[in-house]
Amino acid sequence: DAGVTQSPTHLIKTRGQQVTLRCSPKSGHDTVSWYQQALGQGPQFIFQYYEEEERQRGNFPDRFSGHQFPNYSSELNVNALLLGDSALYLCASTTNGQGLRTEAFFGQGTRLTVV
Amino acid sequence: GENVEQHPSTLSVQEGDSAVIKCTYSDSASNYFPWYKQELGKGPQLIIDIRSNVGEKKDQRIAVTLNKTAKHFSLHITETQPEDSAVYFCAASRNTGRRALTFGSGTRLQVQP
Repeated sequence: DAGVTQSPTHLIKTRGQQVTLRCSPKSGHDTVSWYQQALGQGPQFIFQYYEEEERQRGNFPDRFSGHQFPNYSSELNVNALLLGDSALYLCASTTNGQGLRTEAFFGQGTRLTVV
Repeated sequence: GENVEQHPSTLSVQEGDSAVIKCTYSDSASNYFPWYKQELGKGPQLIIDIRSNVGEKKDQRIAVTLNKTAKHFSLHITETQPEDSAVYFCAASRNTGRRALTFGSGTRLQVQP
């Protein structure tokens, strides 16, 4: 079982650019959530995707958008990058299946640096 | 929305001692409380969780207690080892991992050999 995989592991972008981060959920999981973790802080929830739709959203501007594909993988897009968007972006997957374990498992993250 | 506070921010113990990390939450509808361990350069790893219908749960050297009335929960690590050194996060959610997790600010645990 490969677990949750994210790509790329590191990324450097210039202020004002756009970025796309990718996530493949753990085998058997159908729900993907994205979190932003600033240095020295706990992860903050951005949004969650299930059945290819955004189901929940945290307190993030609409510069942050996402997508989920039929194979349950997901992308996080951030437009008009700001210096403050520099952080570790984490993807977590779980399952909405009834009677199944519903813990959230995290990937290793993508370290985004905006310069 | 939910707010989770975590204490202490740093904790240093001698190998073999116990470590306790405490969290409080604000949303009385929260019913799922996981704990994650994050090592340098890695994503958070689930180490134990507890649901609101249970007051205590134990897994080898790790235990979690929950006081719903006071809205606080704690992580207890006994017989600490150097490999326990990491940052630990508590979190709260309204419905297991299916819902958004609200995290505490983290505790950096250092186990001195």
